[in-house]
Amino acid sequence: EAQVTQNPRYLITVTGKKLTVTCSQNMNHEYMSWYRQDPGLGLRQIYYSMNVEVTDKGDVPEGYKVSRKEKRNFPLILESPSPNQTSLYFCASSSGLAGGNEQFFGPGTRLTVL
Amino acid sequence: RKEVEQDPGPFNVPEGATVAFNCTYSNSASQSFFWYRQDCRKEPKLLMSVYSSGNEDGRFTAQLNRASQYISLLIRDSKLSDSATYLCVVIPIYNFNKFYFGSGTKLNVKP
Repeated sequence: EAQVTQNPRYLITVTGKKLTVTCSQNMNHEYMSWYRQDPGLGLRQIYYSMNVEVTDKGDVPEGYKVSRKEKRNFPLILESPSPNQTSLYFCASSSGLAGGNEQFFGPGTRLTVL
Repeated sequence: RKEVEQDPGPFNVPEGATVAFNCTYSNSASQSFFWYRQDCRKEPKLLMSVYSSGNEDGRFTAQLNRASQYISLLIRDSKLSDSATYLCVVIPIYNFNKFYFGSGTKLNVKP
């Protein structure tokens, strides 16, 4: 089944404790992206990747890192999480030029930083 | 100013009604437009692309008005299963990899 998976689905952590949210897709998509969703603000793009070893900042990259060492995986790293990073996070993937194609989203990761 | 703005709603309509949402965008150089549907904090899913000439998919019609910088979604003969949040997405011409989502319009279809 074609899908995007994220882990963990739910995470409660404390300020400053490094964490990684994994994202994997099995559709051989070149493009992958991370978003955060907050009430009243909609989805905001954090980082995206056009292919292996090619990443770029979205609108809200501060406090996050990403890497794309393999085509299927695009982990999101929070080196020192803070309470304002409490949010619902979605990973997405798309074939080819992302702007012209459907994005497929993972099920989301609900992160709480205390 | 936000790149994309939507009326958050909720729009409460009876089954069978016709309902329309608009979404305004601020960058006149925007290139591509989409409507996504999101059920109760689940992942968004593509509903339809929006083409310059307008397009229809069953009960759903999407239109683009470049002069006034908005896109619209019309749902005819609403079903209970149409209850969801509808997100508009705008992609700028200067970067085909950046996506700007509206905050969504909530639709409740009631029996």
